[in-house]
Amino acid sequence: EDQVTQSPEALRLQEGESSSLNCSYTVSGLRGLFWYRQDPGKGPEFLFTLYSAGEEKEKERLKATLTKKESFLHITAPKPEDSATYLCAVRYYGGSQGNLIFGKGTKLSVKP
Amino acid sequence: SQTIHQWPATLVQPVGSPLSLECTVEGTSNPNLYWYRQAAGRGLQLLFYSVGIGQISSEVPQNLSASRPQDRQFILSSKKLLLSDSGFYLCAWSVRTGYDEQYFGPGTRLTVT
Repeated sequence: EDQVTQSPEALRLQEGESSSLNCSYTVSGLRGLFWYRQDPGKGPEFLFTLYSAGEEKEKERLKATLTKKESFLHITAPKPEDSATYLCAVRYYGGSQGNLIFGKGTKLSVKP
Repeated sequence: SQTIHQWPATLVQPVGSPLSLECTVEGTSNPNLYWYRQAAGRGLQLLFYSVGIGQISSEVPQNLSASRPQDRQFILSSKKLLLSDSGFYLCAWSVRTGYDEQYFGPGTRLTVT
């Protein structure tokens, strides 16, 4: 059973068309939820860390929010350069210090 | 600022050959270090992590091994590669507490033929 599920798997938007990506998790005792951006052939780039329900963080056109069971990455007025795969990962109490559990990602394409 | 390097960037190796991938971190001391593998259609899979020189924890049993000969150097090795070892290998670091975000390197694309 997947502990971190991201939806949709792929999302195509027109430039300027706002939308949201979802990351749901089933672990108990969340100790941090992380969002990354990954361009093809490159390593993931860190975007945000969220620690508690109700927390929000923003960076340019991206805003991440967290509830007790899921997180959303809102993209406002996206541009073609926002095209990438967005990864979500969680860490929970009782998990090993090293272990981030990753979802499979949402591939975002923004057309001009 | 901190920088993480990986090499080589790409590698094509025959089945049964040895492997050595290297990762180094600059601009920080006593980091936690991690090796991940990313296969097509699957999420990132943690292979090894290290909280200090000579301290390695394995998350997934396989024919790979890791070593940390220096504080900011992490090496992934294999004596004999399998076809299933193909993938995108990523090194990452985090601060010593280990409970904050991890920062990833550029990755190594390994193809086993």
